[in-house]
Amino acid sequence: LAKTTQPISMDSYEGQEVNITCSHNNIATNDYITWYQQFPSQGPRFIIQGYKTKVTNEVASLFIPADRKSSTLSLPRVSLSDTAVYYCLVGDENNAGNMLTFGGGTRLMVKP
Amino acid sequence: DAGITQSPRHKVTETGTPVTLRCHQTENHRYMYWYRQDPGHGLRLIHYSYGVKDTDKGEVSDGYSVSRSKTEDFLLTLESATSSQTSVYFCAISGGLAGGRDNEQFFGPGTRLTVL
Repeated sequence: LAKTTQPISMDSYEGQEVNITCSHNNIATNDYITWYQQFPSQGPRFIIQGYKTKVTNEVASLFIPADRKSSTLSLPRVSLSDTAVYYCLVGDENNAGNMLTFGGGTRLMVKP
Repeated sequence: DAGITQSPRHKVTETGTPVTLRCHQTENHRYMYWYRQDPGHGLRLIHYSYGVKDTDKGEVSDGYSVSRSKTEDFLLTLESATSSQTSVYFCAISGGLAGGRDNEQFFGPGTRLTVL
């Protein structure tokens, strides 16, 4: 399973755009890149998933360069409620058990 | 939210006692997982199941066993609890039959276990 590296923490202010970059140098051909968000005392929840180029949904955008060795989660105009831990994962949906490995995540603190 | 519950939500026990945590789903998802979460470690996979009576080890399986006799239930057992197993335990499910993102995992609310 491909391992990921993310910054341990980031600070931002309300209304700013936040970009969290994840490195996954040994990503395999069949691996997808998935981001989860976790609030205190809750389980993680899915934010966005992509394979290459750019993916956008109502919550975030995901940018993936051509070599796929990294990815960037972009949160537009963050609010205080976006304070959470963000996990980057890579995994193969055809892998037995769909196992995804969670690293330490990035703790985002949004300040007023 | 996906129909996934965990019981108990909180438990305090003593070293050496057996403990069983239950995960129950109403989504008919194929895959079920048990994770533990400790400060500074993110989530670590303990065991997972890819069908009834089909289970396999994860990253930190020592000291834990699992069973899945029905699609909807996945049990995690600590045969003899130790203080190092004090943690928050999350159950997750994935692989819905009706399409969608098969590897999207839906997490339960967590069980906080304290071993004294």
